Amino acid sequence: AQKITQTQPGMFVQEKEAVTLDCTYDTSDQSYGLFWYKQPSSGEMIFLIYQGSYDEQNATEGRYSLNFQKARKSANLVISASQLGDSAMYFCAMREPGNQFYFGTGTSLTVIP
Amino acid sequence: KAGVTQTPRYLIKTRGQQVTLSCSPISGHRSVSWYQQTPGQGLQFLFEYFSETQRNKGNFPGRFSGRQFSNSRSEMNVSTLELGDSALYLCASSSGLSNTQYFGPGTRLTVL
Repeated sequence: AQKITQTQPGMFVQEKEAVTLDCTYDTSDQSYGLFWYKQPSSGEMIFLIYQGSYDEQNATEGRYSLNFQKARKSANLVISASQLGDSAMYFCAMREPGNQFYFGTGTSLTVIP
Repeated sequence: KAGVTQTPRYLIKTRGQQVTLSCSPISGHRSVSWYQQTPGQGLQFLFEYFSETQRNKGNFPGRFSGRQFSNSRSEMNVSTLELGDSALYLCASSSGLSNTQYFGPGTRLTVL
């Protein structure tokens, strides 16, 4: 079974609007971390946000927030007030302690002016 | 603090050759992971090293190998290159085996 599933290959959003990128994960561990990364066309993966499985509040970092629904095994990324520079690939990832990182297939986000 | 550095940034090799890529992690980070990224296969995990020991390994043939030195710098070697090895190779470091990984800019390898 896939550890990380991102069902949206491509998304479009109008500049200044909010957008939600979906991510579901599969684990039987109680302790794990969830991550989102951004990859612009330059290729470098940029860390955006982290959510621990025991964190009761949703993580936020500036315009990024992670909508964590543990029972549904969902970790959606919400980008508020989209900017042209947000156009990129976005990857959801999970890590169980001591185990490798598992990445999803990514969502390509295009911000329309 | 300086980020993860990878050298070289670009490489062109021919089939059958071998190649060595280098990664210097963020200062104080002891874990280094390597990934291969291609348009067709996406991001695939190669291996992870922590304190000079390979801790996790992906599903790649034995032509792909790596090592980590006592200063946490890591090298990845690919022997007998094939056309399908053309890819962006990304290195990431973290302070521990459960922590956030930070990526380098990648090495773009082209095999002709």
